Amino acid sequence: NAGVTQTPKFQVLKTGQSMTLQCAQDMNHEYMSWYRQDPGMGLRLIHYSVGAGITDQGEVPNGYNVSRSTTEDFPLRLLSAAPSQTSVYFCARNRTGRGPLSTQYFGPGTRLTVL
Amino acid sequence: AQSVAQPEDQVNVAEGNPLTVKCTYSVSGNPYLFWYVQYPNRGLQFLLKYITGDNLVKGSYGFEAEFNKSQTSFHLKKPSALVSDSALYFCAVRPSLNTDKLIFGTGTRLQVFP
Repeated sequence: NAGVTQTPKFQVLKTGQSMTLQCAQDMNHEYMSWYRQDPGMGLRLIHYSVGAGITDQGEVPNGYNVSRSTTEDFPLRLLSAAPSQTSVYFCARNRTGRGPLSTQYFGPGTRLTVL
Repeated sequence: AQSVAQPEDQVNVAEGNPLTVKCTYSVSGNPYLFWYVQYPNRGLQFLLKYITGDNLVKGSYGFEAEFNKSQTSFHLKKPSALVSDSALYFCAVRPSLNTDKLIFGTGTRLQVFP
């Protein structure tokens, strides 16, 4: 799992429900990010964090919140789920942080369905 | 605008034949280019990357990629395809060293037939 753990693997929500997708890394790396994968659209960045206490928005942040209270954990919260948030969600970490050698490694994903 | 294009939704190739999965990019400055593979119901796995230097980059599972600055391309290649190579392949670019963000292409599904 490239040192990235995601839970749950599958989730079904009803419109309006809230939930948190968990992401944890055991490599003590600074940079973590959340992407969503949709057919024909590749991966799109939702939020990212360059270290504990620091988060920022990516390309498609609306409807999602994040926090980074520790280096290890980077949870993604859906405050009020909508069918448009049906997707596969991937969390990633950088092996070496900033610099030319930086490479992102991905977790196994969470498949979310919103009814 | 910075972007990555994978012009083929699907590539079909017979086992044993060479394969190419195409990728072109549009960024200002020097790009840092990546290929990832996704097997069914799995996460993305890193295959290879180009940072600088030799235009031919070798990666995991016998894959290689050729960087062509004049054509702004970074095509993924393998001399002899295996059925087990069948998967979804993503090209991505890191636009500069000032960001860790990756911009992904839409993906190309590779089908290798026996």
